[in-house]
Amino acid sequence: DVKVTQSSRYLVKRTGEKVFLECVQDMDHENMFWYRQDPGLGLRLIYFSYDVKMKEKGDIPEGYSVSREKKERFSLILESASTNQTSMYLCASSLRGGSQYFGPGTRLLVL
Amino acid sequence: GQQVMQIPQYQHVQEGEDFTTYCNSSTTLSNIQWYKQRPGGHPVFLIQLVKSGEVKKQKRLTFQFGEAKKNSSLHITATQTTDVGTYFCAVRKTTDSWGKFQFGAGTQVVVTP
Repeated sequence: DVKVTQSSRYLVKRTGEKVFLECVQDMDHENMFWYRQDPGLGLRLIYFSYDVKMKEKGDIPEGYSVSREKKERFSLILESASTNQTSMYLCASSLRGGSQYFGPGTRLLVL
Repeated sequence: GQQVMQIPQYQHVQEGEDFTTYCNSSTTLSNIQWYKQRPGGHPVFLIQLVKSGEVKKQKRLTFQFGEAKKNSSLHITATQTTDVGTYFCAVRKTTDSWGKFQFGAGTQVVVTP
């Protein structure tokens, strides 16, 4: 079974802090994704990566950056957290063009 | 902004009834995926449709891809309480790179016994 793990289930940060969200997958998938999920808006793609060190912007990349130094790990960075980044963050991985496997999510609260 | 519309946003169903949820795009799609998210859980992949007019079945769930590849539907027959959750479609446009899927806002399904 594919396993996608995220570093934290719940996180509370202060405005202006730098925040790191980590995601690890164990199935050698090429693609990895970061989404945020807000009520009524579904899942919105922040960034995705199709290979090590390769990334592409999603629909809402502003205020976020990503890092993929190893194939199994994809990090989402909030350079300076703001209250409007309070959300559920979901990581996923997939083979090229295949189904996405999601992690359990990180619920981030920015105060 | 959202270019993928899912309707209805909310569906209240009596156990045993059928219902259909729709996913509509303004552009031609390469493929479409459907996911289910149980309350408190994460999205779980159900199916992928690739061909125009394609119909796939999973027990009581029937998925269809439109002839023009701009819309899709999910039909559930004889709804059960285990069908509770939010159903999302995720679309990839023909102009998008591999892996870039756009999710709809979802249809939240509530089932009453």
